[in-house]
Amino acid sequence: AQSVTQLGSHVSVSEGALVLLRCNYSSSVPPYLFWYVQYPNQGLQLLLKYTSAATLVKGINGFEAEFKKSETSFHLTKPSAHMSDAAEYFCAVSSGGSNYKLTFGKGTLLTVNP
Amino acid sequence: NAGVTQTPKFQVLKTGQSMTLQCAQDMNHNSMYWYRQDPGMGLRLIYYSASEGTTDKGEVPNGYNVSRLNKREFSLRLESAAPSQTSVYFCASNRGGGGSTGELFFGEGSRLTVL
Repeated sequence: AQSVTQLGSHVSVSEGALVLLRCNYSSSVPPYLFWYVQYPNQGLQLLLKYTSAATLVKGINGFEAEFKKSETSFHLTKPSAHMSDAAEYFCAVSSGGSNYKLTFGKGTLLTVNP
Repeated sequence: NAGVTQTPKFQVLKTGQSMTLQCAQDMNHNSMYWYRQDPGMGLRLIYYSASEGTTDKGEVPNGYNVSRLNKREFSLRLESAAPSQTSVYFCASNRGGGGSTGELFFGEGSRLTVL
């Protein structure tokens, strides 16, 4: 079985500050890992994904995440927050193979203060 | 450039009524999914269809049925709606098959309220 834990249901940062959203996973096989973003009243949009290539993954809008197997973590970062980054962020894990079901974390709501 | 299309976007039902949420994708994807999203719960898988002609239960299937009508379309039916089914429903699809990483493409959601 696979699972995802997102630490902090709500993170608040100032504009220009570092964004750090935490994600830990469990998986019985090498995982594929994803970060999705959801803006108000919209569907989920892929930010970035880890698929066993480079452990540091760059995504859209200046976000990146680092896969750390020893820590079973896949934290999302952005050096400088922008007001437009305010949204809900979801970490997800897939075991790949013939089972393509994604398991999602409960989400982290990011607030950016002026 | 439609991707995944869901209808309706909004629906209000009374307890005991039935309805069907429709989903269609134009990306020639093999696999399709229905999730529900509730505050503080993230997204939970209701049912999925790994390929045309197959459907399987997810984490929270009770009270729902699905039909994979063809490769493009995957519908979700509530036979007798209950207030606990008030939620936002998302349809998603992915390529499936060998080599797929499981990346999902989502529709914009259907907001259902059951009174």
